Amino acid sequence: GQQLNQSPQSMFIQEGEDVSMNCTSSSIFNTWLWYKQDPGEGPVLLIALYKAGELTSNGRLTAQFGITRKDSFLNISASIPSDVGIYFCAGQDGYGGATNKLIFGTGTLLAVQP
Amino acid sequence: DAGVTQSPTHLIKTRGQQVTLRCSPKSGHDTVSWYQQALGQGPQFIFQYYEEEERQRGNFPDRFSGHQFPNYSSELNVNALLLGDSALYLCASTPEGLSTEAFFGQGTRLTVV
Repeated sequence: GQQLNQSPQSMFIQEGEDVSMNCTSSSIFNTWLWYKQDPGEGPVLLIALYKAGELTSNGRLTAQFGITRKDSFLNISASIPSDVGIYFCAGQDGYGGATNKLIFGTGTLLAVQP
Repeated sequence: DAGVTQSPTHLIKTRGQQVTLRCSPKSGHDTVSWYQQALGQGPQFIFQYYEEEERQRGNFPDRFSGHQFPNYSSELNVNALLLGDSALYLCASTPEGLSTEAFFGQGTRLTVV
């Protein structure tokens, strides 16, 4: 099935470091979402982006919707041990209703060493 | 306010058997989508239900079918199970027309042996 290209595949960092990950697509999306998934759990929504060029923050997390509408990035500042998990980007080609299925990225595994 | 709930949490089935997974959407949400997540992969869209009808379908065979009930809860059925159907099955709910932000349940881990 279709998946978005997400990089890096994994990151091993020290507590307090900043983290950056990105997601690219060959298709245009109207909405970009970033999720975090802990082992054995479902994805939890972190940030939603609705407009090309939009920059949105949620605490230590900042995400941007690329100008071309084919990419997005997520930054985490001053990482802490509870940031450990798998981060997924997801693109959506509708504004709700019949076209709001999500296309997910391949995931970025983040490990934070105290 | 209960979020999206799925049952069972874990399930082991034999090849060729049939399985039914259940999902109750978040309160106020009327659209339910199902995703399959194989180990080490991102979730893949299976199908979406709204007003008790399948509205959109991903690239999955007819062995995968579903149902939505008047209270918006949903079932995913898989017939003639294959080893490759082993995965985490996720249910996501959204409010129709109000938001594109899907909320996910904790998933059902299906193992086919």
